Formats: sequence, C-alpha cells, structure tokens
Amino acid sequence: QVQLQESGPGLVKPSETLSLTCTVSGASISSSGYFWAWVRQPPGKGLEWIATLFYSGTTYYNPSLKSRVTISVDAAKNQFSLKLTSATAADTAVYYCARPRTIAVADDPFDVWGQGTMVTVSS
Amino acid sequence: IQMTQSPSTLSASVGDRVSITCRASHSVNRWLAWYQQRPGKAPNLLIYKASSLQTGVPSRFSGSGSGTEFTLTINSLQPDDFATYYCQQYSNSSVTFGQGTKVDIQ
Repeated sequence: QVQLQESGPGLVKPSETLSLTCTVSGASISSSGYFWAWVRQPPGKGLEWIATLFYSGTTYYNPSLKSRVTISVDAAKNQFSLKLTSATAADTAVYYCARPRTIAVADDPFDVWGQGTMVTVSS
Repeated sequence: IQMTQSPSTLSASVGDRVSITCRASHSVNRWLAWYQQRPGKAPNLLIYKASSLQTGVPSRFSGSGSGTEFTLTINSLQPDDFATYYCQQYSNSSVTFGQGTKVDIQ
C-alpha cells in the first residue's frame, strides 16, 4: 500500500523560500510509472493544485504559481520536493503531496494523499 | 478552467438524498472527479470520469453529467457523509477544483 508523508518547516518568514519534502513508501518513485503532485489548501478554503512531476523530469506547474515553484525528485531517497520562493501570507496553507490514480497519466484524479502539513508564513 | 459548485452549504438529515452541482467554464468532457473531505483530513476520491465509483466507495454515492454540468448525488445520507465535497476537472494538465460544498446536519 502506497503511503505519502510530507515534512518540512511549519513556519516560514515572508520573502523566504518554503521547502517541503514528500517521502513515498510502498512504491518506487522511479520504477512505479506514476506521476507525483503537490496540492495546497489555505485555512478554511478550497484546494489548489500546485504542480505535478514524473521521476524523469517532466513537470507541470499551475500557471498562477509557476514563476515561484520548483518541484524535483530524489529517487535515491524515494522522495520528491517542493520549493516556493518569495513566500507571503497568502501561501499559508496545508500542503499535501498526492498521486494521480493512473500510471503514466499526469492529469488524473488523486487517489493517494499524504496527511498534509501546515505551513504558516509569518514573521 | 473555472469550476463552480452549488450550493456552498447544504443542510440535510440522515437518510436524505442530496445532490451537489458542479459547473465548468469550458467543456471538460467527462474528465470530472469528486472528493469528500472531513475536517483535518486529506481529501478522499469518490468518483472519477464523471460517474465511475472509486474502489471501496459506497454505492450510495453516484455521479452524472458531461461537458460543463455535473452532479454528485448521495442516496440515504449517513452520519459519515457530513463533510465537504469538491469537484475537480482534469481535462488538461492544469487541474482545477471547485470551491467546495459543505454538507452539514440540519
């Protein structure tokens, strides 16, 4: 059974870079054939897709965040990461890592989710 | 593609049949999913491809629609079903979600 676990600082200062990691267990990021994604949810608000990647380097970004976001894979650690630069209070949210349900399909519903990690952007 | 759900909040009782609507700003064919989210938890996929039930999801949940208008129906609402529901279009690589519909106890 695939499990995802987010990790990273819970507090980030404005203008700094928000960095999170998702550790995958029960499947290999590099050989499973799945894409991997980040989704966020501001407190009391809806879900926002951030980005999706394949271990080989193919990436897709939300156009509204693309200029500030970088996602990458560390296959040796079976992890993928998110970096969001120039953080502001509007980036305060629960950040989830997730997996699209179909092998080799990036634009697919997410059937596996991490538990989420709250990140607050504040001085 | 913008996704708009209605209503924003729905009050119902155990045993009721409830329906939630999701409208897309452009056609998404049948590339539409529904999720349930309980407080403090990650979303849970219920329906994909507009009407296909995800494995393990009770059959009281059903989805319908195509193009720009979709419906999630819950037959005989159970106590576990009081939650927030989101639609999601995935017709292209830039997926988007609706703003959510909270189903609470009347």
